[in-house]
Amino acid sequence: ELKVEQNPLFLSMQEGKNYTIYCNYSTTSDRLYWYRQDPGKSLESLFVLLSNGAVKQEGRLMASLDTKARLSTLHITAAVHDLSATYFCAVDTLWQGAQKLVFGQGTRLTINP
Amino acid sequence: NAGVTQTPKFQVLKTGQSMTLQCAQDMNHEYMSWYRQDPGMGLRLIHYSVGAGITDQGEVPNGYNVSRSTTEDFPLRLLSAAPSQTSVYFCASSYDFSYEQYFGPGTRLTVT
Repeated sequence: ELKVEQNPLFLSMQEGKNYTIYCNYSTTSDRLYWYRQDPGKSLESLFVLLSNGAVKQEGRLMASLDTKARLSTLHITAAVHDLSATYFCAVDTLWQGAQKLVFGQGTRLTINP
Repeated sequence: NAGVTQTPKFQVLKTGQSMTLQCAQDMNHEYMSWYRQDPGMGLRLIHYSVGAGITDQGEVPNGYNVSRSTTEDFPLRLLSAAPSQTSVYFCASSYDFSYEQYFGPGTRLTVT
């Protein structure tokens, strides 16, 4: 059964610092998603990574995928307070003939001024 | 486009009551699904549908029923609510099972 693990689960950092969130998964998959969730809100899609070596960047966030290592990273550069949120990775798997997203536990990121 | 809409936003039920969570999308997406979100556990798939008239169970289907009579609507029914069903429920849709999913705003359900 596919398992997705994120670390760290909680991260408190100062503005201006860099940090990386890791997402490991247990079986083969070629698609990985990163979502952002603000408190009490829905999930907002950040990145869709479709192949080995894929790298996508949006502002201060950069995501990458290594399917051989079954690892994705979400790198935050020069963090700002507005990036405080919970970040989820999700791995796409075929299950009973249909798509199932398996989510990591989420990383709660707090950025302090 | 309104995207994916869900009603109600909040609901409190007593144990044993039944209710239906509504989900609708106006993007002509074939694939729709229901997830529940519990603290520290990410989201888990309850039921999904690959098109009108076709539904199937996800990983945590017990206590829930679904139907898909139209492309637009995918209601989730709680047959006899239990405190273990206290959760936040998200509906999602995508063009096809291999495409990115779009999530609705969620329904926060409390069962007492």
